[in-house]
Parts: sequence; C-alpha cells; structure tokens
Amino acid sequence: AQTVTQSQPEMSVQEAETVTLSCTYDTSENNYYLFWYKQPPSRQMILVIRQEAYKQQNATENRFSVNFQKAAKSFSLKISDSQLGDTAMYFCAPTRGGATNKLIFGTGTLLAVQP
Amino acid sequence: DADVTQTPRNRITKTGKRIMLECSQTKGHDRMYWYRQDPGLGLRLIYYSFDVKDINKGEISDGYSVSRQAQAKFSLSLESAIPNQTALYFCATSQLAGPYNEQFFGPGTRLTVL
Repeated sequence: AQTVTQSQPEMSVQEAETVTLSCTYDTSENNYYLFWYKQPPSRQMILVIRQEAYKQQNATENRFSVNFQKAAKSFSLKISDSQLGDTAMYFCAPTRGGATNKLIFGTGTLLAVQP
Repeated sequence: DADVTQTPRNRITKTGKRIMLECSQTKGHDRMYWYRQDPGLGLRLIYYSFDVKDINKGEISDGYSVSRQAQAKFSLSLESAIPNQTALYFCATSQLAGPYNEQFFGPGTRLTVL
C-alpha cells in the first residue's frame, strides 16, 4: 500500500524565519502529482502548493516552495518569512491510481509560528 | 469561497441513528469525494464518484453509503451510527480534465456519535 510519512508531528518557528517540513512517500507510479495542504484552526483544507512528478523544476508559490527529489521520493515544503497566519496543520498528499487521481494524505505536521 | 458547501457543519447523534451528510458544489466539477479525518491519522478516503453513474469505494467504506443525486450533489450516509464514526468529515471536488486535478474541499462536518 502506498504510504506517506511526515516525520515531524510538531514544529515551531519564529516569525520571519524559514522552516522546512519534510515528507517522504512510497509509490510505484512514474507520473503523479504532489500537493501540500494547510489546515488552520478554522479546519478548512487549503491548497498551498502543487508539483507534477515529471517536472524537474521545483514549484514556488510566493513564500512557499518545495524541494522535490523524485528518486528519493521526497517532497519537502519550505516556508520563508514565516507569518503568524501560517500557523496550521500541514498535510503532504501525493496522488495515486493514475487517472483516478486519488490523494493519499500524510498524518500532518503541526506548525506553530511564534511572535 | 463557498464553492463547496457541507451541511450540517456540526452534528451530535446517538448510536444506532441514521445520519446523512450532504455536499453541494457550484464549481461544475465532475468528481466528488468523501473523506474522514481522525486525530493523528490524516484524511482517509471513504467513497468517490467520477460522475452521476459512477460510485467507487475508498479505503474505509465499511459502515457508509453514498448517493450522487446530481453532478453537484454527493451525500454520505451512516445507516446505523457507531461511536468510532465520530470524526471530521470532508467533501471535496475536482475536475475531470486539468493539469493538476487538485481537489477543493468543503468546510467539513464535525460528527459526534454518543
């Protein structure tokens, strides 16, 4: 079965600092997508950033960027200039099943941004 | 953004009761999904539907059923609720075609079964 590992259950960072959240996954597929979702205390699931596995270039979205290492099956999220509003649970979610595009979620990393 | 709505937002019920959670979307997406979220376990897929005539079981479908009444509506039922079905339930949608097919989530329904 496909698994997703987020080895950091909780992390803390000072406001304006940079933090990296790790994610590794297991897949036998060659083409797939990867996502990071954010869940603030409001519990809404919000898409942060996305990456296509066949693209070597790492995705960037404003202060958020990823380090995608396909061979190592690693997909880490870097948050630069952390803001208080970044406090949330972060979930890594690669797809599986080819065209079915089902998401497999990790167990999440709870990030606290300290003032 | 109210493109994906879920009702009710919170529900407390008793063991053995039948419960229906409803999901509606105005995004025009073909695909709809139901997930449950438990503390420490992330989100797990219950059922998914690629169109009105297509319903598929996810990884934890036992004890649940679904109905896709229209492209925009996808309901999740618990025929006889039990306490271990206490969880946060999310509906999500995605497009059939598109570069990423990312999923868009509703606000969630917190269900408590006593």
